[in-house]
Amino acid sequence: GNSVTQMEGPVTLSEEAFLTINCTYTATGYPSLFWYVQYPGEGLQLLLKATKADDKGSNKGFEATYRKETTSFHLEKGSVQVSDSAVYFCALSLASGGSYIPTFGRGTSLIVHP
Amino acid sequence: GAVVSQHPSRVICKSGTSVKIECRSLDFQATTMFWYRQFPKQSLMLMATSNEGSKATYEQGVEKDKFLINHASLTLSTLTVTSAHPEDSSFYICSAREGQDVELFFGEGSRLTVL
Repeated sequence: GNSVTQMEGPVTLSEEAFLTINCTYTATGYPSLFWYVQYPGEGLQLLLKATKADDKGSNKGFEATYRKETTSFHLEKGSVQVSDSAVYFCALSLASGGSYIPTFGRGTSLIVHP
Repeated sequence: GAVVSQHPSRVICKSGTSVKIECRSLDFQATTMFWYRQFPKQSLMLMATSNEGSKATYEQGVEKDKFLINHASLTLSTLTVTSAHPEDSSFYICSAREGQDVELFFGEGSRLTVL
């Protein structure tokens, strides 16, 4: 079956540090890949996405590149802010019987200190 | 982007009562909606997938008589937790997609506390 593996958190960084959250996937076929962010007490919001190999998704300074050869979609940001503190979910979506079934990683908590 | 509204955001109920959570797509037609339960330490568990006008497809281990899902229109799905017990206390999140789009839009989540 399909699966998404994320690095375990929490990831704790100082403001302006470089961020990497690793994500690898297993899927039969060619999935679309996503990063979602969940701020405390809220639902999930789409952060960025990539729908085919070598695509780079970017938003709010975050980037992730769809690497088919390594089945990875690592999230990076050059300089984090306190307001980036949240839980980040890597996800894939793959058509199955005509329906796109989403699969999520377990989430990685990011804590940014001033 | 598209907006999904979930209501109520917080609900406290007594053990044995039933609670209904609504999930509405405000500016698009949600042909498919997904209901998740989020456990401590943040992992999301897919409970069921519902397509408008048809019965929900429940994931293995999810009791369909306990968690009633209705998707009667293209803009509304409901999750009813029947005869709630303290172990049903959790954060429930809905998401929706339009047509064959791969992107999901999430509701704000509903925190259920059963006393």
